[in-house]
Amino acid sequence: EAGVAQSPRYKIIEKRQSVAFWCNPISGHATLYWYQQILGQGPKLLIQFQNNGVVDDSQLPKDRFSAERLKGVDSTLKIQPAKLEDSAVYLCASSLGSLPTGLSNYGYTFGSGTRLTVV
Amino acid sequence: QKEVEQNSGPLSVPEGAIASLNCTYSDRGSQSFFWYRQYSGKSPELIMSIYSNGDKEDGRFTAQLNKASQYVSLLIRDSQPSDSATYLCAVKGSYQLTFGKGTKLSVIP
Repeated sequence: EAGVAQSPRYKIIEKRQSVAFWCNPISGHATLYWYQQILGQGPKLLIQFQNNGVVDDSQLPKDRFSAERLKGVDSTLKIQPAKLEDSAVYLCASSLGSLPTGLSNYGYTFGSGTRLTVV
Repeated sequence: QKEVEQNSGPLSVPEGAIASLNCTYSDRGSQSFFWYRQYSGKSPELIMSIYSNGDKEDGRFTAQLNKASQYVSLLIRDSQPSDSATYLCAVKGSYQLTFGKGTKLSVIP
């Protein structure tokens, strides 16, 4: 089974520039997540999609970050304009599903991430 | 704010010893608990999941859950240098998976 694909692997931009990241989840995975991981910290959820609908974007800085998942498959995450504090690894993950009740046996599979440096 | 707390370490253990990693969480409604391993510069990799109170064993790994104490732990028996990594505890509430900051484990040959 192919894993979660992300691109680019690395990106260096100047502050106030814009940047976009792409993610292709595992085939058949309905749920897609974007996480931000700052060095030395655990991943922080930015946005969660179920098919092509947003389930949770409460921690997404909507004044500068946007994300979409057209046709319920690929997803893009955009930052415009970037700030120095956006320097982090942006991880995309997917899972079979996300149920609000009962037990979830659906561990997430992460992509290799995009390391963003804002200078 | 749902929180997941871990001791950041580093935790150093000699090769062959048992490594014990601990995690506490704030959301009493959490039902699913996961341990991820993250090597430096790599993405997190799921190694264990646990849903019921008690122990769950998988090879050299044992996850322990105590919902009354809101406590999850991971034991690694016969620790190997290849186990040296950051271990992330993750707790799933209604929808989202919340991660702790991770504990860095170093296994000394």
